[in-house]
Amino acid sequence: QLQLQESSPRLVKPPETLSLTCTVSGGSISGSNYYWGWIRQPPGQGLEWIGTISYSGTTYYNPSLKSRVTISVDTSKRQFSLRLSSVTAADTAVYFCARLNTMEQLDLDVFDIWGQGTLITVSS
Amino acid sequence: DIQMTQSPLSLSASVGDKVTITCRASRSISNVLNWYQQKPGKAPNLLIYAASSLQSGVPSRFSGSGSGTDFTLTISSVQPEDFASYYCQQSYSTPYTFGQGTKLEIK
Repeated sequence: QLQLQESSPRLVKPPETLSLTCTVSGGSISGSNYYWGWIRQPPGQGLEWIGTISYSGTTYYNPSLKSRVTISVDTSKRQFSLRLSSVTAADTAVYFCARLNTMEQLDLDVFDIWGQGTLITVSS
Repeated sequence: DIQMTQSPLSLSASVGDKVTITCRASRSISNVLNWYQQKPGKAPNLLIYAASSLQSGVPSRFSGSGSGTDFTLTISSVQPEDFASYYCQQSYSTPYTFGQGTKLEIK
């Protein structure tokens, strides 16, 4: 059974760069029908899509964060990573990694498997 | 960006009640709409995809309907484990966007 696990929670100081890794276990990261994504949720608030990446490195980013975001993939380690630069307190959130299943027969994408989430606190 | 608007934002119900949550898109998204359930401290869990298809393992008391701009999630008979927050999400175009969430509470 495929599982995703984000790296450990921590405190990041502004305006440093936030770095997170998601490790995929119990299955392949290299399937052509899947992308791998990051979604965040500020405390007590809703969900915001950050971006997604394919196993071959094709990326899609939320324009609201695009200037600060880099998502990369390492298929040999079955990991994908998020870097968010110049963080502020507004970037404090639980960060989730998730599998984006591109259901070609339905022409629909869906986040069908999620990691448990990790809290990133931005504070000096 | 496509804006997703849910209503109500909070809802009180008793066990056994029928509950309906609405999600409206700022423009037509065909049926490219997913619903997630999130319990406190947990990750979202996929309930419904393509507006009306039930994800494997999800109880049949959950159902979804709609197309274009207006969608609904219905719980036919609320159970104690259903008290949670519910989010709609469009994947018609990037950036993928979520509704604000609806918190279902015990009356």
